[in-house]
Parts: sequence; C-alpha cells; structure tokens
Amino acid sequence: DIQMTQSPSSLSASVGGRVTITCRASHPISNFLNWYQHKPGKAPKLLIYAASSLESGVPSKFSGSGSGTDFTLTISSLQPEDFASYYCQQTYITPRTFGQGTKLEMK
Amino acid sequence: EVHLVESGGGLVQPGGSLRLSCAASGFTFSNSEMNWVRQAPGKGLEWVAYVTSGANRIDYADSVKGRFTISRDDAKSSLYLQMNSLRVDDTAVYFCVRGDLTIVPPDYTRLYYYLDVWGKGTTVTVSS
Repeated sequence: DIQMTQSPSSLSASVGGRVTITCRASHPISNFLNWYQHKPGKAPKLLIYAASSLESGVPSKFSGSGSGTDFTLTISSLQPEDFASYYCQQTYITPRTFGQGTKLEMK
Repeated sequence: EVHLVESGGGLVQPGGSLRLSCAASGFTFSNSEMNWVRQAPGKGLEWVAYVTSGANRIDYADSVKGRFTISRDDAKSSLYLQMNSLRVDDTAVYFCVRGDLTIVPPDYTRLYYYLDVWGKGTTVTVSS
C-alpha cells in the first residue's frame, strides 16, 4: 500500500493569514492526489483533484500543487469557516489511501 | 439535489454484527462507483471498501477484509455494508461516498478519481 504522510499534524493561524500543508507519498503517484476539507459533524468536502484542479464551487483561495511524491495545499486569506481538518488522498492505486490529516486551528 | 443518507449504526458488542445502509438520491446510482469510508474517534479518514457500477469489482481495506461485505441494490438506489466479527477498533463514523472519474484537459489520456459526494455518516460503537 502507498502511505501518505501529512505535515504538520496541526497548526494555528490567524484570520486573514495563509497556510501551507504538505503531503508526501511513499511511492511516486504522478498527480493522482486529492484534497478534502472536513468539519466536525459534517460530510467531508472535495477541494482539489488531480493535485491542482479546483473542484467546482470551491473558492480560488484554495490551491494545490505537486507531482511525484510531494504535494502542497495552500489556503490564503483565511476566514473562520476555513478552520477545519484537511486530508490528502492518493488515487494512483487501490487502496486509495488518505493522509492522517492536518487540523487547522484559529490562533 | 444529490444526497446520500446513511443508517443502521448503533452500539454492538465485540464479535457482533451490524448492517449499514445508504440511500442515494439525485443522481443515477446504478452508474456510480460507491465507497465506505470511516473515521474512528480522534483519528483520520480511512477508506473501507468500494464497489464499482454493476458490482464488477469489489475491494476492501486489509483491516476489514474477510469480515465486512459491501453490496448494492441499484433498483433501490442503495448501498450496504454488512459488518461481522466486529472489533472495538471498528468503532467509527461510517460515511457512504460516491466516487467519480474525470479528465483534466489538455491531457485526455488520464482519468482522475475522486470522492465527490459524501453522506453525513452513521456512528458505529463496538463495546462491551
């Protein structure tokens, strides 16, 4: 199985700020990488697919990049509704494994 | 509007069984690949199982293989997860999720998979 490792596991940021979350795959996965946002008690939400393609309806403050084994999710102009957990997922091969998540908290 | 609604969660003793259901609406269920994903308390998301349209292919996470069975009833637009020999570490919120494929121009040779529709989840607690 391909292991996905996110860093950091948690981080604090201020409203209006910008953060970057990193996801590393244990084997090259080209750009078969998705990002999801998850708030407690809610359904997770797809943000980005194919490493850098924005899902319809997702604001452009979210951006993704990377290929091979190293990927990043950047969120700019943080608003209160952006504080949530974020997960990467590789879809290169099954099982389509998730990273362990990054919890973004308000400073 | 596209919806997935899970049901069937509850409290069960270790070694027991439970059957989860997921009712789909707002899209052509029979054409869709479907998944179960879970989240244990304080933990991240874990993919559990998937079934392709037409049930041509099914696969499971190693952690549930041999104990869980995913199935679908296209006439009822429903997805199921039969969970047997439950363990304490199966305690989690279980999400029903649609998987889909897309292309990203200008490359028309690759199909990218993503999980685009999620239910709100049903809670399974395995405890004595």
